[in-house]
Amino acid sequence: GESVGLHLPTLSVQEGDNSIINCAYSNSASDYFIWYKQESGKGPQFIIDIRSNMDKRQGQRVTVLLNKTVKHLSLQIAATQPGDSAVYFCAENIGNQFYFGTGTSLTVIP
Amino acid sequence: DADVTQTPRNRITKTGKRIMLECSQTKGHDRMYWYRQDPGLGLRLIYYSFDVKDINKGEISDGYSVSRQAQAKFSLSLESAIPNQTALYFCATSDWGTKGIQYFGAGTRLSVL
Repeated sequence: GESVGLHLPTLSVQEGDNSIINCAYSNSASDYFIWYKQESGKGPQFIIDIRSNMDKRQGQRVTVLLNKTVKHLSLQIAATQPGDSAVYFCAENIGNQFYFGTGTSLTVIP
Repeated sequence: DADVTQTPRNRITKTGKRIMLECSQTKGHDRMYWYRQDPGLGLRLIYYSFDVKDINKGEISDGYSVSRQAQAKFSLSLESAIPNQTALYFCATSDWGTKGIQYFGAGTRLSVL
């Protein structure tokens, strides 16, 4: 299967600080990437996506950066809030399938 | 997401039993997916369907089968459940126009004893 990994399984940040969650992928054929957020007891929820012809995309308080040279993408959350506490997954698209990373658990400290 | 409904939410069964997990959606999407989630392994695709007549195997289809009864319904069956199928199962939908953005149900927690 495809390898989509995350550098850290857990991340703790102080409320108000910025969070950066990293993801490495292995297949250079991947042309589309998505970040999902999964809160406890719920299914994953779409946050932001980026296509391989872009290197940056911004949403509300979130930014995704894509570095195709080193096959790395990151999710930046500005002014992290308690409601941001969740597990974050990156997913890469190859053909008709998506391959998900193992997730990073973000804990926001009040 | 209430637009994607999975039943049951929790199920305990015994080894060798047949079990069906059901998924229905009101989003009008043509694409539907079944994933399993295990601790430390993330989400893995079991089967997917792009329309009622289309069924495709994912990464880990062995031991599972699916049925797309209608555009809005996609069920997952374990013909003879085994303990290593204990996991959290998610159904998801997407629309061909938005390609990858998938909308997930709340999940079914399955335990096989």
